[in-house]
Amino acid sequence: TQLLEQSPQFLSIQEGENLTVYCNSSSVFSSLQWYRQEPGEGPVLLVTVVTGGEVKKLKRLTFQFGDARKDSSLHITAAQPGDTGLYLCGPGKLIFGQGTTLQVKP
Amino acid sequence: EPEVTQTPSHQVTQMGQEVILRCVPISNHLYFYWYRQILGQKVEFLVSFYNNEISEKSEIFDDQFSVERPDGSNFTLKIRSTKLEDSAMYFCASSETGQVEFFGPGTRLTVL
Repeated sequence: TQLLEQSPQFLSIQEGENLTVYCNSSSVFSSLQWYRQEPGEGPVLLVTVVTGGEVKKLKRLTFQFGDARKDSSLHITAAQPGDTGLYLCGPGKLIFGQGTTLQVKP
Repeated sequence: EPEVTQTPSHQVTQMGQEVILRCVPISNHLYFYWYRQILGQKVEFLVSFYNNEISEKSEIFDDQFSVERPDGSNFTLKIRSTKLEDSAMYFCASSETGQVEFFGPGTRLTVL
């Protein structure tokens, strides 16, 4: 059974700060998706990483896939209140991590 | 921009009743999924559907659940005899590629 651990579970920061959240597993993934979910809504796909060591940028968000394709990180630069939400990672359709709840205070 | 839609947005039912949750996937997508998320918990995979049949299902998707694509546009999830623990948000998703790309806004199911 594939297990995904996301950390931290909760993060509360001030606007303008930087942060990194992590998605770790003991399994190797062929790809990994990151999503953001706001309360009462469905997850929204942010990015898919496929190649070990890959880095993808989406404005202030930087996603990295580990060389061994077992872990990934999401770094947000100068966080904004609009970044508030639950960040989920998952290797495809079958499983998701429990998510990191991010709160960015103005 | 194309989107997945779901109806109703909120369904309240009595324990033991049947419910049908409806989804309209994005029109050219071939892969369809149902997930559920119990309040405060992680998103859990229920079932995937491709080429008019179930391609994968989880342990949660037992005999009380069924899916159907009755008319080529709607994709439904039926829960035959609801239990209290079925209360959750149910998300439909669709995809062109087999990677889960687009989620609907969800149906909140409350079983009393």
